[in-house]
Amino acid sequence: TQLLEQSPQFLSIQEGENLTVYCNSSSVFSSLQWYRQEPGEGPVLLVTVVTGGEVKKLKRLTFQFGDARKDSSLHITAAQPGDTGLYLCAGALGGTSYGKLTFGQGTILTVHP
Amino acid sequence: KAGVTQTPRYLIKTRGQQVTLSCSPISGHRSVSWYQQTPGQGLQFLFEYFSETQRNKGNFPGRFSGRQFSNSRSEMNVSTLELGDSALYLCASSLGFGRRGINEQYFGPGTRLTVT
Repeated sequence: TQLLEQSPQFLSIQEGENLTVYCNSSSVFSSLQWYRQEPGEGPVLLVTVVTGGEVKKLKRLTFQFGDARKDSSLHITAAQPGDTGLYLCAGALGGTSYGKLTFGQGTILTVHP
Repeated sequence: KAGVTQTPRYLIKTRGQQVTLSCSPISGHRSVSWYQQTPGQGLQFLFEYFSETQRNKGNFPGRFSGRQFSNSRSEMNVSTLELGDSALYLCASSLGFGRRGINEQYFGPGTRLTVT
């Protein structure tokens, strides 16, 4: 059972375009993280969102946590070739599940120059 | 501050053999989590160790085991390797505790295991 549904799975866009990646679940998470992973490397933490309705901005990246803490989105403005990579959302249930992250399947983003 | 290190980076084994992978967490982090990443299943949680004790376990067979040492370094072992065990094995370190269940994990580069 996939607790976190991430969409789209693949995204191929031109430099300068905007894009949004979605992460949805029927479970409530205590926190949700977004990672970016490049081939042959481990995921790199981009942001952690904790509060329902929270919006965080990291340069051209905007992250939002849903009011009910069941979903999240990542929006990239004016994408650049350097944004190419695998984007992963990961939820933490907290409590006795501390230490375990549940990951979405990932979105492979390709930005063409 | 040095990041998470994993050794070896690449490993080729044959079916039936066993393998041990090593992970050194970020200094001061007491929790180490292990994940298996494959193209078909994505990132799946194996287990987590905190202060030398296994605190959480995923849905993997008993062939997958791990341990943590007093310096927080961790090892995972896979016995009787199967072809399906070929994957990128990632370890992640975190403080091991946090307010409101916040659990920021920092990943190492992974060990690429190929079973032939």
